[in-house]
Amino acid sequence: QTVVTQEPSFSVSPGGTVTLTCGLTSGSVSTGHSPNWFHQTPGQTPRTLIYSTNTRSSGVPDRFSGSILGNKAALTITGAQADDESNYYCVLYTGSGIVFGGGTRLTVL
Amino acid sequence: QLQLQESGPGLVKPSETVSLTCSVSGGSISGSTYYWGWIRQPPGKGLEWIGSIYNRGNTYYNPSLKSRVTISVDTSKNQFSLRLSSVTAADTAVYSCARHGWGSSDWDWGQGTLVTVSS
Repeated sequence: QTVVTQEPSFSVSPGGTVTLTCGLTSGSVSTGHSPNWFHQTPGQTPRTLIYSTNTRSSGVPDRFSGSILGNKAALTITGAQADDESNYYCVLYTGSGIVFGGGTRLTVL
Repeated sequence: QLQLQESGPGLVKPSETVSLTCSVSGGSISGSTYYWGWIRQPPGKGLEWIGSIYNRGNTYYNPSLKSRVTISVDTSKNQFSLRLSSVTAADTAVYSCARHGWGSSDWDWGQGTLVTVSS
């Protein structure tokens, strides 16, 4: 079974920079997995931030960026703002289908 | 603008089959180059992909649910559906439908519908 790993929680100061990661318990994440990143606030539907590793969705500010760092996908938020406080999910496309990570709860304080 | 709307029973008994429908407006399922999928989220937990259908008939399922899941399309009604059999309390979740690509595009989501499995 393919398992996608994310940090359960992370904290960043307002104006700071944070990098969330997305890995596989078995193997490395590559652009071939087309990493997507979503964010979701409680009670709301998820919203796409990044697809195809590093393509920002329409309307997403450029302080959100996606990349591959080592053997993981990464989402970097620069100049964090209070309303970035949310749950962030990574999604990978694998031979077993679409796999969501467990999500990272980001706190801005 | 594309809109997706889930419908189905809010309460299902254990061991029964739950059937949900996603009605699509503002775009056509027929001939689409997108996938049409189902995702669920148990209360207070993360997102789980259930499965998707493509090009009217090609289906892709989460291996952990595959034996209990069927996704189908009704192009005449511009709808697609999910059937999940032999449900247990662990299947209690908000079920959402979505349009997506295979990694290379945005996802468009329905609002989701809560399905509770309880006797």
